[in-house]
Amino acid sequence: DQQVKQNSPSLSVQEGRISILNCDYTNSMFDYFLWYKKYPAEGPTFLISISSIKDKNEDGRFTVFLNKSAKHLSLHIVPSQPGDSAVYFCAASGEAGGSEKLVFGKGMKLTVNP
Amino acid sequence: NAGVTQTPKFRILKIGQSMTLQCTQDMNHNYMYWYRQDPGMGLKLIYYSVGAGITDKGEVPNGYNVSRSTTEDFPLRLELAAPSQTSVYFCASKRSSYNSPLHFGNGTRLTVT
Repeated sequence: DQQVKQNSPSLSVQEGRISILNCDYTNSMFDYFLWYKKYPAEGPTFLISISSIKDKNEDGRFTVFLNKSAKHLSLHIVPSQPGDSAVYFCAASGEAGGSEKLVFGKGMKLTVNP
Repeated sequence: NAGVTQTPKFRILKIGQSMTLQCTQDMNHNYMYWYRQDPGMGLKLIYYSVGAGITDKGEVPNGYNVSRSTTEDFPLRLELAAPSQTSVYFCASKRSSYNSPLHFGNGTRLTVT
């Protein structure tokens, strides 16, 4: 039973264009969502997050959109750069004040071509 | 700050052997976690700890044990290694405030043959 789903395993875009990474979730108790980026042979690094009280959060070239009614979030990267090539994980949690265990999607490999 | 440090980086075990994966953090984080990542899969939580002396099971705890005697260290023990435990193991930590992100180590790649 996958609570966080990243249905597309890979995406390839041209440098300078927009990258859109999608994520769906099934647990309506989730109220905090994060995106992590992972390079080969390294651990995941935190990229951006959004609380369920918002529908958009922006940080430089990265914007995360949340559609609670559709249980869907997306990460937009504009403009995409070759250094953005990595695996991106969507994650969610829903235990306010608790241990805050994150549930991760399977990841999506983004390739940005020069 | 070194952040989260995991040792070893790589290890090959024979079936039935045991080993301890080490994890230490220097950020004074109360919360620590062990995840495993299998090929093509997301990260699955093995065990976590909300402070020294407190540990709890995650989604896939079978075959593993943990201890948390200090804030800094959170070792993961495999007692009887099995091929199903071949994976990449990530340790992570975070501040105890709600909605603070996880900080990950660089992982231990374990092969059991």
